[in-house]
Order: sequence, then structure tokens, then C-alpha cells
Amino acid sequence: IAGITQAPTSQILAAGRRMTLRCTQDMRHNAMYWYRQDLGLGLRLIHYSNTAGTTGKGEVPDGYSVSRANTDDFPLTLASAVPSQTSVYFCASSDSSGRYNEQFFGPGTRLTVL
Amino acid sequence: GQNIDQPTEMTATEGAIVQINCTYQTSGFNGLFWYQQHAGEAPTFLSYNVLDGLEEKGRFSSFLSRSKGYSYLLLKELQMKDSASYLCAVMDSNYQLIWGAGTKLIIKP
Repeated sequence: IAGITQAPTSQILAAGRRMTLRCTQDMRHNAMYWYRQDLGLGLRLIHYSNTAGTTGKGEVPDGYSVSRANTDDFPLTLASAVPSQTSVYFCASSDSSGRYNEQFFGPGTRLTVL
Repeated sequence: GQNIDQPTEMTATEGAIVQINCTYQTSGFNGLFWYQQHAGEAPTFLSYNVLDGLEEKGRFSSFLSRSKGYSYLLLKELQMKDSASYLCAVMDSNYQLIWGAGTKLIIKP
């Protein structure tokens, strides 16, 4: 793989179900992020990780959890999905020692909670 | 609070020039980014400004005035493939990106 991948591409989920969105990068970036993107709103940060073994809460963390067991993987878990979590989810990564520290995005997961 | 403002939608003609403005109020400033996002796709990095002035990269240029909390993205010689949303984002004092809602640019032949 090259860059950052996410799975699944899309998912329809019943309310109350548990769901894990997967994210993997092969760029050896230290930092990783999860965003949600809703129509008319900017990208909103859910959780982030500055380095393997550490995580932090973003702007909208409630109802979501993350783990960062290694550099490459950063899964996002919805413990009990609710309809308001219907959104497009983007995973991103960055190299804080890079020239611009720009974030590279995965292709996104479109999640619908019914 | 933190706030990034940019127009919701703009329309321009193929071959013309368009300027997309972004104003911001954030807790701290560690740079301003512009991203391009085609419909149904992921955002991709276009430019970064941390000092006042103009950064030019081919047909795209980005300007920053930190004292005014203002930036613009200038697109020249517009092509149909430039039809996309353009996202302005500011890196705050915690090195987190605060994102605007994006400007949808429609290019007409």
C-alpha cells in the first residue's frame, strides 16, 4: 500500500451497534487524526495521536474511542452508534518533522446509522 | 472561540482568475493551509503560509496577512478540473488544525 488507507469504504449500521473504522498508513508518520465531515461544516477533529502509545481528544470526542498500538494503525470505534454519527469519516496522518507538517488524508468512510 | 470564515460558493469562467478569501480568529497561529477537495474524495494539500506575503506554486498562489487574520487563494487560468471545494485551515497554539467549512468553486465553460 502507498499512503493511507481506510476500511470500510462505506457502511450502513443499525443504531446501538458497535463499529470499528480502520486506518493504516505506511509513511511512518508520527501523528494520526480522525475527522468527521458533515455538510455545511468544516472538518471536525474527533481524536488524535501525536505518537504511538498516546492519544488525545479533539473537538467532538463523545461516543468515539481510539487506540494507537503501533505507528501504522489508528482504529476508531463507535461503542454504540447513534444516528447523529452518520457522517463521512476521514483519517489523516502527518510528520511533525516535515517541512510543512501538512496532513495526508485517507479516502474516507461513509457511515450511515439508522 | 475559534472561527474560520470563507464564502460558501463561488462561480468563475474557464480561463479566468478567481480569489477565494479566508478570515480567521484562532487561539494562536502556527500556519495556514489550503486544501482542495473534489466531490466524494479526500482533501489534498495545496499550500502553506506562516509568514506574511504571497506564496506562488504554478497556477495557484496563497497570500497571508497575520495582522488582519486574512488569507486568500488565487487560482489562475482556471480549468474545468479546478471545480472542487477549497478548504482553509489554521494550525492553532496546540498544533491542531481548525477548518473552515470550505468554498465550493464552480467553473463554467
